[in-house]
Amino acid sequence: EDQVTQSPEALRLQEGESSSLNCSYTVSGLRGLFWYRQDPGKGPEFLFTLYSAGEEKEKERLKATLTKKESFLHITAPKPEDSATYLCASAHGGSQGNLIFGKGTKLSVKP
Amino acid sequence: DSGVTQTPKHLITATGQRVTLRCSPRSGDLSVYWYQQSLDQGLQFLIQYYNGEERAKGNILERFSAQQFPDLHSELNLSSLELGDSALYFCASSVAGGIMTGELFFGEGSRLTVL
Repeated sequence: EDQVTQSPEALRLQEGESSSLNCSYTVSGLRGLFWYRQDPGKGPEFLFTLYSAGEEKEKERLKATLTKKESFLHITAPKPEDSATYLCASAHGGSQGNLIFGKGTKLSVKP
Repeated sequence: DSGVTQTPKHLITATGQRVTLRCSPRSGDLSVYWYQQSLDQGLQFLIQYYNGEERAKGNILERFSAQQFPDLHSELNLSSLELGDSALYFCASSVAGGIMTGELFFGEGSRLTVL
């Protein structure tokens, strides 16, 4: 069964304390690995797409990387405004057009 | 603002009832997706429409149905509601029928509470 698993479930950081979020996937024929950010009471907001192992994407303090079995979202010197739930999702070869989402990592950054 | 509009934002109803959730996609987007988000299951894909036609179906219950109209807005109908149907229902849209870019634009959701 295709699965996307995120860890940790929750992460508390001090402002400026860099860390990484993990997303491991077991899908057949991966056709893309996606990261989204979700703020409370809002819909998910697209961040990155990664297609192949070794690929990296960056946006401000965030950098996403992909290996054959997992993806990491690295957060460098986070600020309180980075606090949100970060969702990882995959599209796979057998997909009928849907994304498989992990349950997310809730990040809290304290000033 | 993603450009995707969902109504109503909140809905409280009783078991056995029927509700309709409405979604207007971003201007120019032909695909509409419906997702259900609950605390224990996370975001689950329900169904996708592309330019008025059903394109893909996920774990959507038989009590649920959807359609996309000629003006591209979509409605999700939930009937014979049960307590377990309480969740956030998100609509998302994208330009193309496929999702290879992974870039879906989500609305702010409709929170359904079934009492």
